[in-house]
Amino acid sequence: GQQLNQSPQSMFIQEGEDVSMNCTSSSIFNTWLWYKQDPGEGPVLLIALYKAGELTSNGRLTAQFGITRKDSFLNISASIPSDVGIYFCAGLMGSSNTGKLIFGQGTTLQVKP
Amino acid sequence: GAVVSQHPSWVICKSGTSVKIECRSLDFQATTMFWYRQFPKQSLMLMATSNEGSKATYEQGVEKDKFLINHASLTLSTLTVTSAHPEDSSFYICSARDGTRVFEQYFGPGTRLTVT
Repeated sequence: GQQLNQSPQSMFIQEGEDVSMNCTSSSIFNTWLWYKQDPGEGPVLLIALYKAGELTSNGRLTAQFGITRKDSFLNISASIPSDVGIYFCAGLMGSSNTGKLIFGQGTTLQVKP
Repeated sequence: GAVVSQHPSWVICKSGTSVKIECRSLDFQATTMFWYRQFPKQSLMLMATSNEGSKATYEQGVEKDKFLINHASLTLSTLTVTSAHPEDSSFYICSARDGTRVFEQYFGPGTRLTVT
């Protein structure tokens, strides 16, 4: 099925460093969502973006919905060990009540204490 | 708020048997629920979309007679894997769309299915 291009695939960083990951697509999306998944768990919603150009923060997380509606990025500032996990971007294709999410391949984040 | 549960969290079954997985939205009404499958170190692949009271819509390549979906109420959807085979072993995750916040989708904790 269709997927978003998410990069990087994995990151290994030192505690305290900032992290940036992004997603791009050839298709336009009306909504972008960022999720975090811990091993053996379902994804947890981190940030939802509804408008092109929108910049939204949730604690140490900041995400932006690209102007072209074909991309989004997620930044994590001052990383801590509990940030470890897999981060997925997802774009909503179709209308809000009938559309479906298209997922990126995920970015695996490892944080060294 | 926006909690989705799944039961069981893991199940082991013998080849040829059927397994039912439940997905419930605990504190909101979900007009739409989704079923995903995830292989190790891979992304989530949508299997089907179910709307309360109607037939599920399956993604291309997903056998609807093998993966039976029932969305009996606004808080419950079930996935039944019929005549399971080892290749059906996977992590199955459901999600639900809150009818009042239709842009957001919440996921259950997943069900690990192992077919021996």
